[in-house]
Amino acid sequence: AQSVTQLDSHVSVSEGTPVLLRCNYSSSYSPSLFWYVQHPNKGLQLLLKYTSAATLVKGINGFEAEFKKSETSFHLTKPSAHMSDAAEYFCVVSFYNQGGKLIFGQGTELSVKP
Amino acid sequence: GAVVSQHPSWVICKSGTSVKIECRSLDFQATTMFWYRQFPKQSLMLMATSNEGSKATYEQGVEKDKFLINHASLTLSTLTVTSAHPEDSSFYICSARPLEGGVLNQPQHFGDGTRLSIL
Repeated sequence: AQSVTQLDSHVSVSEGTPVLLRCNYSSSYSPSLFWYVQHPNKGLQLLLKYTSAATLVKGINGFEAEFKKSETSFHLTKPSAHMSDAAEYFCVVSFYNQGGKLIFGQGTELSVKP
Repeated sequence: GAVVSQHPSWVICKSGTSVKIECRSLDFQATTMFWYRQFPKQSLMLMATSNEGSKATYEQGVEKDKFLINHASLTLSTLTVTSAHPEDSSFYICSARPLEGGVLNQPQHFGDGTRLSIL
């Protein structure tokens, strides 16, 4: 079965410290992977995407993610958190054999303390 | 670029009425648009895939007669919640995938969502 799991439902960091949001996927196919961010009462904004090019992907707002096939992981990181980073983050997978439909992780709420 | 506009952003109406939500891709064409439902503190649940010029494909458990989808052009899809009841209250989000590129390489672009409250 194809699935995606975000390992933490809530992560809290202090402003200026690193951020790590964890994501693992399960699939026998090569997926495309995305990270989206959602602020309250808003839609989703694409942070970055992996589509079988470079395994280290740089996104907007200083975020990046590394695709590790051996670990089936696609963790999101940022060196220094900003207050404006507080939001809900979704790891999302797309599979060719499902017509490119998105499969969402459960979401991770990121809190940033001053 | 890649802006998706969703309207209205918030609607409150009485039980039994029908509500139409529009999803427009403003600066690109999209043969495929998607409709999601999101409950508080939960992830997005795909309701249906809307294909321009053909019938929508509904996910299991989604009533197609309750949630009518029309995708009449490459830039507009509509979701109509018919005879809405309080249990239909939710946050509805649409997304659109650009026409260019493969189904995997092009990410979906999301609207800002519609908060639907049925009294």
